[in-house]
Amino acid sequence: QKEVEQNSGPLSVPEGAIASLNCTYSDRGSQSFFWYRQYSGKSPELIMSIYSNGDKEDGRFTAQLNKASQYVSLLIRDSQPSDSATYLCAVNYNDMRFGAGTRLTVKP
Amino acid sequence: NAGVTQTPKFQVLKTGQSMTLQCAQDMNHNSMYWYRQDPGMGLRLIYYSASEGTTDKGEVPNGYNVSRLNKREFSLRLESAAPSQTSVYFCASSEGSSGVLLATDTQYFGPGTRLTVL
Repeated sequence: QKEVEQNSGPLSVPEGAIASLNCTYSDRGSQSFFWYRQYSGKSPELIMSIYSNGDKEDGRFTAQLNKASQYVSLLIRDSQPSDSATYLCAVNYNDMRFGAGTRLTVKP
Repeated sequence: NAGVTQTPKFQVLKTGQSMTLQCAQDMNHNSMYWYRQDPGMGLRLIYYSASEGTTDKGEVPNGYNVSRLNKREFSLRLESAAPSQTSVYFCASSEGSSGVLLATDTQYFGPGTRLTVL
């Protein structure tokens, strides 16, 4: 059983729409949750971190955490073609565990 | 401020050859990590170093060794490369604390090394 699960996609949304990316995890003891963006051929870069239940907003990005359901999501509002990338969910147990990523395509 | 640097960027090895991947960070971070990324499998932790002088195994350590040379540098060695080690290798660092990985730490990644083992 994978510890961090993501839908591999591809997820395709039109420019200006809301993109919704989802992640589930298996260890109830997880404390910290991260979303990384990775462009093709590049290294991951942090978008958001979230540690408490609820929503956390940063510009066009909102991370949502529900520890009871073991679920974390990322919403991207007003999606732009430059948001086209693979989004990695990461969960911190004793060390960081990453999901396989969801590939997002934003079509002009 | 270069952040996390890795050398080489690309490498092709024959089965059985050895090599060392180099990583350095200039952010005065305590903790450093080595990951491999394979298609459809995400990033998997090979080894980490919570602080200078300590190293620990991650999820997939077999076939690898590491050295935390000093606070800045963390190297990954393949003693006898195998085709299963064909992958993209990322080094990362985080602020950490003395000898302890912090759950809230943000990890910063280097540009990666693309390794092919024939």
